[in-house]
Amino acid sequence: KNQVEQSPQSLIILEGKNCTLQCNYTVSPFSNLRWYKQDTGRGPVSLTIMTFSENTKSNGRYTATLDADTKQSSLHITASQLSDSASYICVVSGLGGFGNEKLTFGTGTRLTIIP
Amino acid sequence: NAGVTQTPKFQVLKTGQSMTLQCAQDMNHEYMSWYRQDPGMGLRLIHYSVGAGITDQGEVPNGYNVSRSTTEDFPLRLLSAAPSQTSVYFCASSYSMTHEQYFGPGTRLTVT
Repeated sequence: KNQVEQSPQSLIILEGKNCTLQCNYTVSPFSNLRWYKQDTGRGPVSLTIMTFSENTKSNGRYTATLDADTKQSSLHITASQLSDSASYICVVSGLGGFGNEKLTFGTGTRLTIIP
Repeated sequence: NAGVTQTPKFQVLKTGQSMTLQCAQDMNHEYMSWYRQDPGMGLRLIHYSVGAGITDQGEVPNGYNVSRSTTEDFPLRLLSAAPSQTSVYFCASSYSMTHEQYFGPGTRLTVT
C-alpha cells in the first residue's frame, strides 16, 4: 500500500532558527514528490515539485531534498519567520494504471514559530 | 486572475439534505479534483476530472457526485448529507496530473 509518513507531527522553534521536516514514502512506481504549505483555514500552496532525477530544489528560504534510493525527502527552512507557521504537507505522486498519476498525501507537520 | 474559487466558505446541513459545493478556475486547467481533509488524515481524493465531460472516482467517492460541463467549473454534489461528511472540502486544478496543483480556499461543511 502506498504510504507517506511525515515527522515530526509538530514542531515549535524560535524565530530566526532553522528547521528540517522529514518525509518517508513507500509509493511505487515513483513520479514526483511535492511539498505544500497550508496556512490555518486556507488551501495548500505548492512550494516545490521534485522528479526522480532532482536531489535538491530551493524556493526562497525553503530547500527540499530527495533521495529516491532511500525514499526520503526533507524540507529545510532557513532563518524562520513568524509567517512560516503553518502545516507542511508532503505529497508523493505515483504512476497508476494506464499512465495515470495518483497522489498520496502525508498528514503534515504542524510548524509553529514563536517570537 | 482569481485562481481557484470555492463557494460557500461555510455550510451547515441537516442529515438527509442535499447541496452543491461550487468550484471554478480561470487558468484554463484541464485537470480538476475534489478532496476532503479531516483531522489527523491526509487529503483524500473524492472525484477528479481530466477535462470537460470526463470525470472519475477517487479514493472516497461514495455519497458524492460530480459533473464537468465546462473547463472552468467542477461542482461537487452531496446527494443525502450524513454526519460522516462533516469535513473541509478543497477543490484543486492543474495543467495536467503531473503539474503543480492550485487549491481553492476550502469549504467547511458541518452535517448535524
